[in-house]
Amino acid sequence: QLHLQESGPGLVKPSETLSLTCTVSSGSISGSSFYWGWIRQSPGKGLEWIGSVYHSGTTNYNSSLKSRVTISVDTSKNQFSLKLLSVTAADTAVYYCVRYSYGSYFAYWGRGALVTVSS
Amino acid sequence: SYVLTQPSSVSVAPGQTASISCGGDDIGGKSVHWYRQQPGQAPVLVVYDDGDRPSGIPDRFSGSNSGGTATLTISNVEAGDEADYYCQVWDHSNDHYVFGAGTKVTVL
Repeated sequence: QLHLQESGPGLVKPSETLSLTCTVSSGSISGSSFYWGWIRQSPGKGLEWIGSVYHSGTTNYNSSLKSRVTISVDTSKNQFSLKLLSVTAADTAVYYCVRYSYGSYFAYWGRGALVTVSS
Repeated sequence: SYVLTQPSSVSVAPGQTASISCGGDDIGGKSVHWYRQQPGQAPVLVVYDDGDRPSGIPDRFSGSNSGGTATLTISNVEAGDEADYYCQVWDHSNDHYVFGAGTKVTVL
């Protein structure tokens, strides 16, 4: 059974960069036909798709975040990462890493990582 | 951008049927997927491609997409079905993935 695990700092200061990594186990990023992405959920709110990366490094980002987001992949470590620049309190959320097929549903989710933006 | 509309809450007695709607422009032309999220947990896929169930999801969960509305139906509701439910589609026009705002199901 595929397993996704988010890791990274739980507290980030305003205007700094949020960085998270998702480690994939019991499955390989390299050569698969799946997309690897990030979804976030602000406290008490709904789900927001942030973006995705393919094993080739091709990315796709939510237009609302595109200017601040970078998603990258490291197939040698079977990991992919999220960087969100210039964070504010509005970026406080639980960040989930996910796997999905293009144009489809999110079948696999990590447990989520709470990131709080505060000084 | 594409918008999915769900009721904010649905209440249902145990043993009864809960129906959660999801509306959007030309939603009948899209594949709709549904997730259940219990407090403090990650969402779990319960219905995909309008009406298919992943393995392990009981057949009390069913979905449909017709008449301009997608619907998740939970039959013979149990206390453990109390959760937030989200619908989701892929918006091919801008290659974005969109979620509804979620429906809180309360079991009376």
